[in-house]
Amino acid sequence: DARVTQTPRHKVTEMGQEVTMRCQPILGHNTVFWYRQTMMQGLELLAYFRNRAPLDDSGMPKDRFSAEMPDATLATLKIQPSEPRDSAVYFCASGLVLAGGLGEQFFGPGTRLTVL
Amino acid sequence: AQSVSQHNHHVILSEAASLELGCNYSYGGTVNLFWYVQYPGQHLQLLLKYFSGDPLVKGIKGFEAEFIKSKFSFNLRKPSVQWSDTAEYFCASKDDTGRRALTFGSGTRLQVQP
Repeated sequence: DARVTQTPRHKVTEMGQEVTMRCQPILGHNTVFWYRQTMMQGLELLAYFRNRAPLDDSGMPKDRFSAEMPDATLATLKIQPSEPRDSAVYFCASGLVLAGGLGEQFFGPGTRLTVL
Repeated sequence: AQSVSQHNHHVILSEAASLELGCNYSYGGTVNLFWYVQYPGQHLQLLLKYFSGDPLVKGIKGFEAEFIKSKFSFNLRKPSVQWSDTAEYFCASKDDTGRRALTFGSGTRLQVQP
């Protein structure tokens, strides 16, 4: 049963600390997305990759957030330094781009981040 | 920029009542439409999707949605809800401009009372 995995599931940290969230996309998927969910803003796209190359990270605060795909099985989202307003659930999703466009996106369980 | 609107923010129904959640999208070209459900404490799961063809789409758990191009709408329906349908429902769209990510609506929280 293929699924997207994310670690950690929960993270509590203090303001100013570095936070790294990891995602393992479904094997064979060539597109990876990072979304953030908050009560105020709902679901927002932060960044996405196709074939490990970043295609759009316009939704991400550049000064503190960075997203990478060191290899096809791992995507990372890093916040340095973290701030209380970064508290949210961060979802990773993966999908397969076909000739006709992107099919379904499969979401991971999310990382619930609390920055004190 | 494309946008998705869900006008019902919080819906409370009794079991066996019929459900219709509204969704409107803004993009005028070819669009793919999705409904996702998020049960309390869980991640997003796909309920159904529309890419082309029959505008009435049937999904899992008895849900269906109708794509009405003239109204830019993709409303979600279920004839008889159950307590287990209590969740948050998100409408999402993807256009054909090359931006592959989904644009989500703000979500509708459904509470089904036994």
